[in-house]
Amino acid sequence: GQQVMQIPQYQHVQEGEDFTTYCNSSTTLSNIQWYKQRPGGHPVFLIQLVKSGEVKKQKRLTFQFGEAKKNSSLHITATQTTDVGTYFCAGPFVTGGGNKLTFGTGTQLKVEL
Amino acid sequence: DTGVSQNPRHKITKRGQNVTFRCDPISEHNRLYWYRQTLGQGPEFLTYFQNEAQLEKSRLLSDRFSAERPKGSFSTLEIQRTEQGDSAMYLCASSSGTQNTGELFFGEGSRLTVL
Repeated sequence: GQQVMQIPQYQHVQEGEDFTTYCNSSTTLSNIQWYKQRPGGHPVFLIQLVKSGEVKKQKRLTFQFGEAKKNSSLHITATQTTDVGTYFCAGPFVTGGGNKLTFGTGTQLKVEL
Repeated sequence: DTGVSQNPRHKITKRGQNVTFRCDPISEHNRLYWYRQTLGQGPEFLTYFQNEAQLEKSRLLSDRFSAERPKGSFSTLEIQRTEQGDSAMYLCASSSGTQNTGELFFGEGSRLTVL
């Protein structure tokens, strides 16, 4: 079936260190989205990547979409305590009825002072 | 607040009882999704509506689960004869768009605990 895997599952960093999470899909994706979920909260959309090899930046966050459109990464430079949460990638899998957004397994980030 | 609204936020029920959750999406959004999330896992797709039409239902979803979106606006998710394994956060999300899956706006979720 359609799967979206992420590594690592957990990451503990010291404040100021960098962080990267990797996302791999079992099939080619038309686009990939990233969401952040704070502890006790709900997923919040961060960004969508559409083009092969696309790179987008949001302040300290850098998102990449692989050339084959089957993998993606999120890199955070100089982490802060506000970055704490779980980061999910999600890809749409076209089915008979429409698009189904399948979420990855997530990477939980903890930032220590 | 014009975001996605879900209620109740928390529901504790005994095994075997029926429960119903309601989701009010962002008003101009034609797509509505239900997801289930358990601790430490990503949201798991349950079902999806475009306007009032239910276009897909996860094969993981048993016949005890049913969802409706009668007028293409709010949606309800009913779980009949609840089991302890149904305990989870039930998330509703909405989006606009036509061909491609756009950004999902999630509600705060309805947390179900089955005793």
